[in-house]
Amino acid sequence: DVKVTQSSRYLVKRTGEKVFLECVQDMDHENMFWYRQDPGLGLRLIYFSYDVKMKEKGDIPEGYSVSREKKERFSLILESASTNQTSMYLCASSPGYGSEGYTFGSGTRLTVV
Amino acid sequence: GESVGLHLPTLSVQEGDNSIINCAYSNSASDYFIWYKQESGKGPQFIIDIRSNMDKRQGQRVTVLLNKTVKHLSLQIAATQPGDSAVYFCAENISNSGYALNFGKGTSLLVTP
Repeated sequence: DVKVTQSSRYLVKRTGEKVFLECVQDMDHENMFWYRQDPGLGLRLIYFSYDVKMKEKGDIPEGYSVSREKKERFSLILESASTNQTSMYLCASSPGYGSEGYTFGSGTRLTVV
Repeated sequence: GESVGLHLPTLSVQEGDNSIINCAYSNSASDYFIWYKQESGKGPQFIIDIRSNMDKRQGQRVTVLLNKTVKHLSLQIAATQPGDSAVYFCAENISNSGYALNFGKGTSLLVTP
């Protein structure tokens, strides 16, 4: 019954490592999103994509990049992990433009040491 | 973008009572609102949504009220159960702003026996 799958629930990485977070959805949704969630700050949008090979910066894109080579897969890349990127990362997808709800994955809790 | 805010960060209710979680928004162009529930260790799950041409919508044990005059949104949970304990987020979509939802910081609901 899982529709948005994030490849890892927990990750521990070292400072300076390149980190890949993977997200796959099986609902043929057009839009995919990456958020990070921190206590007291809520969900903040990192990047989103509304089509294959298309990407848009969200509110906090610094230190991150994304890749969407196939419709069902949206990857978040931490080019050089830092301790301030320790967070819960949530992937989501939605079917169309604008007024639609998201389906979220279960999240990846990343710790950078 | 403009942020969606919540009146209370935590709410404690007794089992069987009704719960009301409030949310304020500031952008009059917001045309779609959603409530999500996030249980510990899980991604947010859709509860109920409402469009700006409505002022009330009911689901199973939940009701969302929208007051556009004062830019206020509320989630009412009837006969609150222990399984309702979670963090609740409201989210808004601003008309013609694109694909991404803007989330509030969340309210933690604790149901006591």
